[in-house]
Amino acid sequence: DIQMTQFPSTLSASVGDRVTITCRASQNIYTWLAWYQQKPGKAPTVLIYKASTLQSGVPSRFSGSGSGTEFTLTISSLQPDDFATYYCQQYHSYSRTFGQGTKVEIK
Amino acid sequence: EGQLVESGGGLVQPGGSLRLSCAASEFTFSSYAMSWVRQAPGKGLEWVSTLSGTGASTYYADSVKGRFTISRDNSKNTLYLQMNSLGAEDTAIYYCAKDPYMTPAQYFDCWGQGTLVTVSS
Repeated sequence: DIQMTQFPSTLSASVGDRVTITCRASQNIYTWLAWYQQKPGKAPTVLIYKASTLQSGVPSRFSGSGSGTEFTLTISSLQPDDFATYYCQQYHSYSRTFGQGTKVEIK
Repeated sequence: EGQLVESGGGLVQPGGSLRLSCAASEFTFSSYAMSWVRQAPGKGLEWVSTLSGTGASTYYADSVKGRFTISRDNSKNTLYLQMNSLGAEDTAIYYCAKDPYMTPAQYFDCWGQGTLVTVSS
């Protein structure tokens, strides 16, 4: 299986901060990568797919970049609604795998 | 994008069985691959299984292969997960999730609210 390593595992930030989360794949996954946001007690929702395509309805402060094995999710100006856990997920193979998650906390 | 509602979770003894259901609405169910993803308490997300839109192709995580069976009834817009030989490691919230296309191996663009499965004596 393709392993996805996400870091940091926890991130403390303030409203208005620029935040970057990194996801690394154990092999080349081209741009077959999605990012999700999950709030406590809720199901995940997709933010970005194909590494950089914003899902319909997702605010433009979210952006994704990268290809191959290194990817980033950036929140340009952190808002109160953005405090949550974020996961990357590869879909290069049928056996889809997720990163371990990054919890974005209030500083 | 649609709506997904899971049911069938609960408390089951080790070695027992359980069948989960996922009722889909607001989209053409048969046109999309469907999956199950689980999340152990306080842990991350784990893909469990995927079924193509026609039901012809199935995919399983190694951790559940041979114990879990995914199926669908397109006439009832319902996805199922039959879980046998359950162990404590299967304790999790099980989410039903929709792929954005008929062919599998994609991201998930719609999720249900989840149903909790607890394996304990």
